[in-house]
Amino acid sequence: NAGVTQTPKFQVLKTGQSMTLQCAQDMNHEYMSWYRQDPGMGLRLIHYSVGAGITDQGEVPNGYNVSRSTTEDFPLRLLSAAPSQTSVYFCASSYSGHPGLAGSSDTQYFGPGTRLTVL
Amino acid sequence: QQQVKQSPQSLIVQKGGISIINCAYENTAFDYFPWYQQFPGKGPALLIAIRPDVSEKKEGRFTISFNKSAKQFSLHIMDSQPGDSATYFCAACLGFGMTGTASKLTFGTGTRLQVTL
Repeated sequence: NAGVTQTPKFQVLKTGQSMTLQCAQDMNHEYMSWYRQDPGMGLRLIHYSVGAGITDQGEVPNGYNVSRSTTEDFPLRLLSAAPSQTSVYFCASSYSGHPGLAGSSDTQYFGPGTRLTVL
Repeated sequence: QQQVKQSPQSLIVQKGGISIINCAYENTAFDYFPWYQQFPGKGPALLIAIRPDVSEKKEGRFTISFNKSAKQFSLHIMDSQPGDSATYFCAACLGFGMTGTASKLTFGTGTRLQVTL
């Protein structure tokens, strides 16, 4: 298993540009989510999905779009990049959507992250 | 508004010592409290978690103490080792276990732990 993969690892954008951060998992997990991590602020939930075709907003959804056409993939789209979106982005997947609910093996797997800089 | 406050921001502990990280929350609707460990350049990993109806949970050298009345919980790392050097995040969940949805996690700001020889 590759686990959760994210591409690219690093990206520099200019203000106003759009791009898609890719996330894929090969564990057949129904639940996937996107977080951003900023210094001094911990991780904040952007969007999440409880299965193919179903998505919902998290704490900081503005400026981001998601779709879930397959179980494996959960791309995050930046519609018009702004400097405030400079951050490290993590994708995560889990079996139950509730970390540890189905036992200690029911963990939330995070990808390696994408470091995005918007100039 | 920071719903989960974590302290200290950084911590240096000698090998073999006890590392203690504290978190306090405001929302009494939170129903699950996980801790995550993150190494540089990696994503966070679930370390240990506790339900609010339990006052303590221990897994190996890691223990969560939970004080519901004070709305505080803490992570204790016994016999701290250099390999424990990482950033630790507490979190609080809303909607834990509800079918058809996923837990909404609110994270603390993180504690950078350094265990020295």
